[in-house]
Amino acid sequence: DGGITQSPKYLFRKEGQNVTLSCEQNLNHDAMYWYRQDPGQGLRLIYYSQIVNDFQKGDIAEGYSVSREKKESFPLTVTSAQKNPTAFYLCATQGSANEKLFFGSGTQLSVL
Amino acid sequence: RKEVEQDPGPFNVPEGATVAFNCTYSNSASQSFFWYRQDCRKEPKLLMSVYSSGNEDGRFTAQLNRASQYISLLIRDSKLSDSATYLCVVGTYNFNKFYFGSGTKLNVKP
Repeated sequence: DGGITQSPKYLFRKEGQNVTLSCEQNLNHDAMYWYRQDPGQGLRLIYYSQIVNDFQKGDIAEGYSVSREKKESFPLTVTSAQKNPTAFYLCATQGSANEKLFFGSGTQLSVL
Repeated sequence: RKEVEQDPGPFNVPEGATVAFNCTYSNSASQSFFWYRQDCRKEPKLLMSVYSSGNEDGRFTAQLNRASQYISLLIRDSKLSDSATYLCVVGTYNFNKFYFGSGTKLNVKP
């Protein structure tokens, strides 16, 4: 089945720790995105990538980093510089401009 | 001003009711419009794309009004399973430019 796989489903971070959220897709989509969702708020763009080895900051990139070494994979690292990381993180892909977004099942990140 | 605005609700309706949501957007260059459904702690799932001519899918009807810059979603004969948060999503002709409303919560009661 084609789709987007996010892991883990739940993740806990200790203070000062970096954690990495995985996003893998087999839809052959060029564009991949990371969004953050806080309760009662709309999704906010963290980073996006239109092509392998290239990515751009979104609206709230501070404290996060990404890589795009393969078309299928777009991991997100939440660094210790992100002081308020507790949120629901969603990875999405898009086949071409103007098309809908496809979402992974999300990762809930909490701070211990 | 937010790019996309929605009434957060909640809308509490009985089964069988008709309910309508509106969403306004500020960017007149917007090209694509969608309604997504999101259940608690789950990913958003596409409910329907919205076209200028309007479109219908079973009990759901979506309309776009470019002049007034709003889109609407009408749900007829509400079911308990329709209880969810409905997200309005607006895109421009750039890969990175999707704008999300904060969602409208619907509770359908028996």
